[in-house]
Amino acid sequence: QEKVQQSPESLIVPEGAMSSLNCTFSNSASQSIWWYQQHPGKGPEALISIFSNGNKKEGRLTVYLNRASLHVSLHIRDSQPSDSAVYLCAVSKGSNYNVLYFGSGTKLTVEP
Amino acid sequence: EAGVTQSPRYAVLQEGQAVSFWCDPISGHDTLYWYQQPRDQGPQLLVYFRDEAVIDNSQLPSDRFSAVRPKGTNSTLKIQSAKQGDTATYLCASSFRGNNQAPLFGEGTRLSVL
Repeated sequence: QEKVQQSPESLIVPEGAMSSLNCTFSNSASQSIWWYQQHPGKGPEALISIFSNGNKKEGRLTVYLNRASLHVSLHIRDSQPSDSAVYLCAVSKGSNYNVLYFGSGTKLTVEP
Repeated sequence: EAGVTQSPRYAVLQEGQAVSFWCDPISGHDTLYWYQQPRDQGPQLLVYFRDEAVIDNSQLPSDRFSAVRPKGTNSTLKIQSAKQGDTATYLCASSFRGNNQAPLFGEGTRLSVL
């Protein structure tokens, strides 16, 4: 089973700042890496995924993947109070079953 | 398009009682997953189906847990004789087959075992 570790456990940033979240995984053969957002009392919602080494940008989100170091990061530019949530990193085993293995999450709080 | 629907939203039990959770996936999604999410932890896979077939149920915590998807659409997860350690949110997700299809999650059932 994949092991996924996230850091920091919690992060507080002021409105307008960059938020940076980190994730390491155990298997370089893992296929896609996903970031999900989860608000209290809600299910996780997929934000962005990456497969290839390098970076991927969607709106205010940028993801960086380095398979050699088994590390992926998520950066949220111009963070807003509505971005306050738990962010979950998940890795896929790489079959067409799309089974995901999740980390414990980073709780992001954006202060107005 | 309707999302993944789960019921009930909440359940409170005494130890030893049984409980069933129900999931209606997104129409057309052939793969269905059940995850357990303890408080302040990430979701942990319990079991997943392709159509009506169980693909992997090796992560079910014990034989007190069972899951079915008889017609390849809706699914039921059942806990016999619940224990306090089963307290968690139970999440259902579904996806299309094929690489890089993001599983879409329901809002979950929050279970408290007293």
